[in-house]
Amino acid sequence: DSGVTQTPKHLITATGQRVTLRCSPRSGDLSVYWYQQSLDQGLQFLIQYYNGEERAKGNILERFSAQQFPDLHSELNLSSLELGDSALYFCASSVDSGQPQHFGDGTRLSIL
Amino acid sequence: AQKITQTQPGMFVQEKEAVTLDCTYDTSDQSYGLFWYKQPSSGEMIFLIYQGSYDEQNATEGRYSLNFQKARKSANLVISASQLGDSAMYFCAMSHASGGSYIPTFGRGTSLIVHP
Repeated sequence: DSGVTQTPKHLITATGQRVTLRCSPRSGDLSVYWYQQSLDQGLQFLIQYYNGEERAKGNILERFSAQQFPDLHSELNLSSLELGDSALYFCASSVDSGQPQHFGDGTRLSIL
Repeated sequence: AQKITQTQPGMFVQEKEAVTLDCTYDTSDQSYGLFWYKQPSSGEMIFLIYQGSYDEQNATEGRYSLNFQKARKSANLVISASQLGDSAMYFCAMSHASGGSYIPTFGRGTSLIVHP
């Protein structure tokens, strides 16, 4: 058990819809990362938050947004969903940037 | 651009043998970190081992060791005494400094199958 909790585990929705993925980091970790894993793109870094503030951005689409709340949990919002957004979305946390990250079990998103 | 290359899409090893998974990286930064993660078929990502760019000694964690050759920009993972449970995808990753933070970059992974 990594200590990182992601909900829900599975999500099935339709094109054009909006979903919210939730992540609770390991106790004591201030940094949260979001990743998208698909067969064709591999594991892609989306965005990082540190203690409530955005720290770094990767390949995150404009239709996607995230935030980290005062209790350090984070949410990833995906809107105007397309078939190509079907993927496994991971949240990871670490004590600080550049330190080993511990991953949640992921949310598998299927767009029909 | 920072890049991680894992040239072995698939590897096979006999149980109890040692195996080396290759990883090369490309960065012009002096400060960076190198990581290996394991992803079993169940899907979770498990952190295995970390090496900082300034660390003189190769990192070791139980049966895992990281063969860090800075001049060659390689960070190979060595798994000793392979077990059936080691069958999984293995990802090499690097974190490099960018704009006050560290950006993670992952390789495409190597699939390891351990034979009895």
